[in-house]
Amino acid sequence: RKEVEQDPGPFNVPEGATVAFNCTYSNSASQSFFWYRQDCRKEPKLLMSVYSSGNEDGRFTAQLNRASQYISLLIRDSKLSDSATYLCVVQGGKLIFGQGTELSVKP
Amino acid sequence: NAGVTQTPKFQVLKTGQSMTLQCAQDMNHEYMSWYRQDPGMGLRLIHYSVGAGITDQGEVPNGYNVSRSTTEDFPLRLLSAAPSQTSVYFCASREPQGFGYTFGSGTRLTVV
Repeated sequence: RKEVEQDPGPFNVPEGATVAFNCTYSNSASQSFFWYRQDCRKEPKLLMSVYSSGNEDGRFTAQLNRASQYISLLIRDSKLSDSATYLCVVQGGKLIFGQGTELSVKP
Repeated sequence: NAGVTQTPKFQVLKTGQSMTLQCAQDMNHEYMSWYRQDPGMGLRLIHYSVGAGITDQGEVPNGYNVSRSTTEDFPLRLLSAAPSQTSVYFCASREPQGFGYTFGSGTRLTVV
């Protein structure tokens, strides 16, 4: 079993749609959790950290459920510019990446 | 403030050749890591370092060596390149108590 697993993609959605990504992790001792965004052939960039209380940044909401070892990312009112691959990342001593979920937002 | 700088951006090697991928950061970050990214596999950790003089293996260390003689530099050496090492390589750094890594722009390596 992979340490971090994400929903397989790609997700193809129209502009304005709400889309949710899910992620599970296997190491219960993991300490920190993140969502990264990666544009085609570019480096990953930190989108947001994920906290147990849930956190929101504009149209983006991240949730963490430690008991279920589950992380989610919700994107509301999708924009064309949201098209990218979204990476779920778990940190213990090292950063472990999920394989990524590709999002394509269409006009 | 350049962040994390990787060189070269592109490289083609012949099987059996050796080379060093350079990584430098100017943020005085203690933690540095090397990842490779292959289609459908996500980013996999090759080697990492928690400070100058300290390195450790990640998930896929075979065929690669690293050293960390200074805080700023963390080079990755391919000892004898193989086609299986064709990949995109990313270097990243962070502060020990920081959130998330800052990545370099990557090195696209092809081994023929």
